[in-house]
Amino acid sequence: KQEVTQIPAALSVPEGENLVLNCSFTDSAIYNLQWFRQDPGKGLTSLLLIQSSQREQTSGRLNASLDKSSGRSTLYIAASQPGDSATYLCASPPGAGNNRKLIWGLGTSLAVNP
Amino acid sequence: GAGVSQSPSNKVTEKGKDVELRCDPISGHTALYWYRQRLGQGLEFLIYFQGNSAPDKSGLPSDRFSAERTGESVSTLTIQRTQQEDSAVYLCASSSFGQGGNEKLFFGSGTQLSVL
Repeated sequence: KQEVTQIPAALSVPEGENLVLNCSFTDSAIYNLQWFRQDPGKGLTSLLLIQSSQREQTSGRLNASLDKSSGRSTLYIAASQPGDSATYLCASPPGAGNNRKLIWGLGTSLAVNP
Repeated sequence: GAGVSQSPSNKVTEKGKDVELRCDPISGHTALYWYRQRLGQGLEFLIYFQGNSAPDKSGLPSDRFSAERTGESVSTLTIQRTQQEDSAVYLCASSSFGQGGNEKLFFGSGTQLSVL
C-alpha cells in the first residue's frame, strides 16, 4: 500500500533563499509523482508531474526529482519569493494498475519572508 | 469555462440535513474527481468519473454519500443525513484523458462544508 510522507511540515525562510521540500513514498513501483501548490481559498495547482521513467522535471524556478530506489522526491525552489508562500503537496497513484486516484502527503507549509 | 468551478464555496448545515455540492469541470475534460480534505489531514479520494460512469467509488465513506455526473459535464456530490465528521473541504478536479494516466489535474477552489 502506497504511503506518502512530507517533511518538514512547515518551513520559514528569508526571501532569496534556495530551498528543498521532501516527499517520501513506500512503494518503489511508483507510476508517477506530482507536486501541487495549495493556496488558501484557491484550491490546488499542479506544478510538476514526474513519470516513473523520468528523473526530474523543471518549470521556471522549480525543479522536481524522483529517486525510486530510495523512495524519495524533492522539490527544489530557487531564489524563493514571498509569492511562493503556500502549502506544497506531493501525491502519487497507489500503483500502476490504479492510477486514477492519488495518495497524498500532508504537505509542507512554506513561508517566504520579505 | 476557464477553470473548474465549485458551488457553493461555503455551506453551513445542521446535522441530519442533506446537502448537494456541485462541480463544473473544464469543458472537454472527460475525467472528474472528488476529494475530501478534513482539517489537519491529507486529501482523501472519494470517487472518479470517466464520462458519466464512475469506475471507482471505493473512497465514498458510507452509503450516505453519492455522486452523479451528467452530460459528461456537471457533477453533483450528495451527502444525506449529514454528520459532524462530514465537515471538510470538498475538492473537485478534472482532467483530459491523458496517456496511461499521466494526466495533469485541474482543481476547483473547493466547498467548505460545516456541519453543526
